[in-house]
Amino acid sequence: GENVEQHPSTLSVQEGDSAVIKCTYSDSASNYFPWYKQELGKRPQLIIDIRSNVGEKKDQRIAVTLNKTAKHFSLHITETQPEDSAVYFCAATTRRNMDSNYQLIWGAGTKLIIKP
Amino acid sequence: DAGVIQSPRHEVTEMGQEVTLRCKPISGHNSLFWYRQTMMRGLELLIYFNNNVPIDDSGMPEDRFSAKMPNASFSTLKIQPSEPRDSAVYFCASSFSGYSMNYEQYFGPGTRLTVT
Repeated sequence: GENVEQHPSTLSVQEGDSAVIKCTYSDSASNYFPWYKQELGKRPQLIIDIRSNVGEKKDQRIAVTLNKTAKHFSLHITETQPEDSAVYFCAATTRRNMDSNYQLIWGAGTKLIIKP
Repeated sequence: DAGVIQSPRHEVTEMGQEVTLRCKPISGHNSLFWYRQTMMRGLELLIYFNNNVPIDDSGMPEDRFSAKMPNASFSTLKIQPSEPRDSAVYFCASSFSGYSMNYEQYFGPGTRLTVT
């Protein structure tokens, strides 16, 4: 079946440095790629997303890039701060067949640790 | 809007007992998702509904799990009988799937289930 692979599973960076998390997907029809942030004990929340007709999107310190040919997309966080510590999930849309609805296939998550 | 509402927030029960988790999606959303999250298995999609109809229940672990959505504003996930390995955080999420192809899912606060 369709899947999304996410790397690394854990990422530790010094405060102020940049962090990059990468995901690859298998469904060539995927057209929507969100990133969710889950702080400890809380619910996942959308932080940024990108659609297949766009190669890059930026929102302050976070950005996402998409390479449709290679079927991978990445989350970039610059000038990391302690509040960036969380688990980050990537996802991609897929559907079982032409008659079914789109659903999200999730990556396994990356635990980002910001060292003071 | 109050967001996605889940109840109870915490549930502790003994093995063999029936457990019912409840979810009220965001008004106007037409898709509803039930997820299970554990350290070992990450975020797993159990089942999702579109316009109150179950679309994909391939993630439901076994017959002990069942889900219903009797109307657009309410859904239940039932486990009968419960087992210790069902201990997890169960999230409900909702989204609006329409021509805008906005697939953003809004998560509820989750129900932490402990089966002893």
